Amino acid sequence: EADIYQTPRYLVIGTGKKITLECSQTMGHDKMYWYQQDPGMELHLIHYSYGVNSTEKGDLSSESTVSRIRTEHFPLTLESARPSHTSQYLCASSPSLGVSNEKLFFGSGTQLSVL
Amino acid sequence: KNQVEQSPQSLIILEGKNCTLQCNYTVSPFSNLRWYKQDTGRGPVSLTIMTFSENTKSNGRYTATLDADTKQSSLHITASQLSDSASYICVVSDRGSTLGRLYFGRGTQLTVWP
Repeated sequence: EADIYQTPRYLVIGTGKKITLECSQTMGHDKMYWYQQDPGMELHLIHYSYGVNSTEKGDLSSESTVSRIRTEHFPLTLESARPSHTSQYLCASSPSLGVSNEKLFFGSGTQLSVL
Repeated sequence: KNQVEQSPQSLIILEGKNCTLQCNYTVSPFSNLRWYKQDTGRGPVSLTIMTFSENTKSNGRYTATLDADTKQSSLHITASQLSDSASYICVVSDRGSTLGRLYFGRGTQLTVWP
């Protein structure tokens, strides 16, 4: 149903490496989000964007950065990965049809492991 | 403090049986409540969205109820199937901002056995 794609699905890297998690959607949605999810825990919002050139930090403090140069693309970058960054990262988007009843469409996630 | 609590944390049922998952919230002001299904290793998929004025909403074998007075919601699954095995997440949105902040529960892990 959802046309939102995340790559890679799985990533294992060493400490100190720079990584970029990709997220693209073909639905023309203005709003995009990055969530972090640990096993058995709730999703935490780390970044969001209302549109091109608009990015905001979410509730959870994160050392990652994001950019929104194109509507369909919302990559997340970690300049120097650490073991504490090991988690699942979920990208989502929603249309700007209004406020309350917007449905979130999620990608399949990237499972990141930092050794 | 705005919170969303789900119970039980995990549940095992036999195929064909019904089950009910609970969600209690303290989010205020309230805008809407959503139920999502998350398969292992996948992103959540929306099942239902209910606003303040809606008491029940169905999506196939899934029926969600909402009592805004007691701040409780339930998700009832009828005639369970093996494919229903997943985590079910309750999400509540407030009206505190134009974004409508979302508060996520930790989910109920449902396992359906043959």
